[in-house]
Amino acid sequence: EVQLVESGGGLVQPGRSLRLSCTGSGFGFTDRAVTWVRQAPGKGLEWVGLIRNKRSGGETTEYAASVKGRFTISRDDSKSTAYLQMNSLKTEDAAIYYCTADTCGADCSGFWGQGTLVTVSS
Amino acid sequence: DIQLTQSPSFLSASVGDRVTITCRASQGISSYLAWYQQKPGKAPKLLIYAASSLQSGVPSRFSGSGSGTEFTLTVSSLQPEDFATYYCQQLNSYPRTFGQGTKLEIK
Repeated sequence: EVQLVESGGGLVQPGRSLRLSCTGSGFGFTDRAVTWVRQAPGKGLEWVGLIRNKRSGGETTEYAASVKGRFTISRDDSKSTAYLQMNSLKTEDAAIYYCTADTCGADCSGFWGQGTLVTVSS
Repeated sequence: DIQLTQSPSFLSASVGDRVTITCRASQGISSYLAWYQQKPGKAPKLLIYAASSLQSGVPSRFSGSGSGTEFTLTVSSLQPEDFATYYCQQLNSYPRTFGQGTKLEIK
């Protein structure tokens, strides 16, 4: 069974940091780009960024302008896990964060985790 | 950044209806477009990629078409489980962007 499981969400104060994890199983995690997508309460989907797989993309990354310089995506293929390090968090970063895996070779999000909620509040 | 505009934003329809949702891109994206379905409290689900390729396991009543700047998602005969919110996403350039969503409700 294909699974992506996020963890690490919670309540954090503005300006602080949080690291989310995303562990995949049941598919070739190492061969897939991993994308993070977020959704603020009652709002639409927002693309956060992605990390390419090592073989075809050298684990390079791309980010949305709203998080660039504050968020860092990394991966540890030995653990089938991707990470989203979020620094200098703002109230507008509050959202459900989903990790996804590419299934079409063009970063489409064919596999999704269940999401983890990040609340940013003092 | 490429902007995606979906129309309509809200759609009311009945079981058995044929419905079409449009996604317009602010510049040409070839066929690099995906469609997702999201139900309340759930993660989105990929329906269509490369504008018209049906994701494995998705019912054939869903279809996608278009290229360049205009794309459509069609549901040929609505079923009760199809009432949800639908998003398009461009996969042509970074940052990847989503449309604002189309909420499909039961009439």
